[in-house]
Amino acid sequence: DAKTTQPPSMDCAEGRAANLPCNHSTISGNEYVYWYRQIHSQGPQYIIHGLKNNETNEMASLIITEDRKSSTLILPHATLRDTAVYYCIVRVANTNAGKSTFGDGTTLTVKP
Amino acid sequence: GAVVSQHPSRVICKSGTSVKIECRSLDFQATTMFWYRQFPKQSLMLMATSNEGSKATYEQGVEKDKFLINHASLTLSTLTVTSAHPEDSSFYICSATGAGAANEKLFFGSGTQLSVL
Repeated sequence: DAKTTQPPSMDCAEGRAANLPCNHSTISGNEYVYWYRQIHSQGPQYIIHGLKNNETNEMASLIITEDRKSSTLILPHATLRDTAVYYCIVRVANTNAGKSTFGDGTTLTVKP
Repeated sequence: GAVVSQHPSRVICKSGTSVKIECRSLDFQATTMFWYRQFPKQSLMLMATSNEGSKATYEQGVEKDKFLINHASLTLSTLTVTSAHPEDSSFYICSATGAGAANEKLFFGSGTQLSVL
């Protein structure tokens, strides 16, 4: 079973920030939070990951709550090309046992 | 960044034949590879985990004799769908992770669309 829950869909206006929430209330202490996105008929694309500190890269920001039971992916200025299914997953890093189970994800639609 | 190459991107085969899908890590040693299957409008479903040089570990409900996984080297894993049937038609995706810094992320292939006639 997936360890994360996400809203099934969200809309966002082009140029505005898209905030995608994820609940992972059963996350273990050694599990990281990862975000991927998938555009139709392609493999998932890595966006960002973190353990407990907030992270930022050229694509997005990741905000993890202090209790680590939830997180939010922020796309600061959404474009039409950001329309995709966004998956939040948890996995153990730095070990060969870090398999990942995907939940249903959030379909983000960026509208003009 | 690390790249995972998956081939072929699309394959059409007749019912009863076998199909092999390759997954290669191009610039890192993939100590572990994962195989997923995805049906239309659904999420990725983990099929199996393979560690280099070991037998694959299959998820519950996945037939190991039907979906043969080989991970003989640190850069190549293969999934063979044996005696394919129309219900095996799906999008198959591999992912790979490695040692050290390469284990921080899962790198995904571009997927293989299998259509069984």
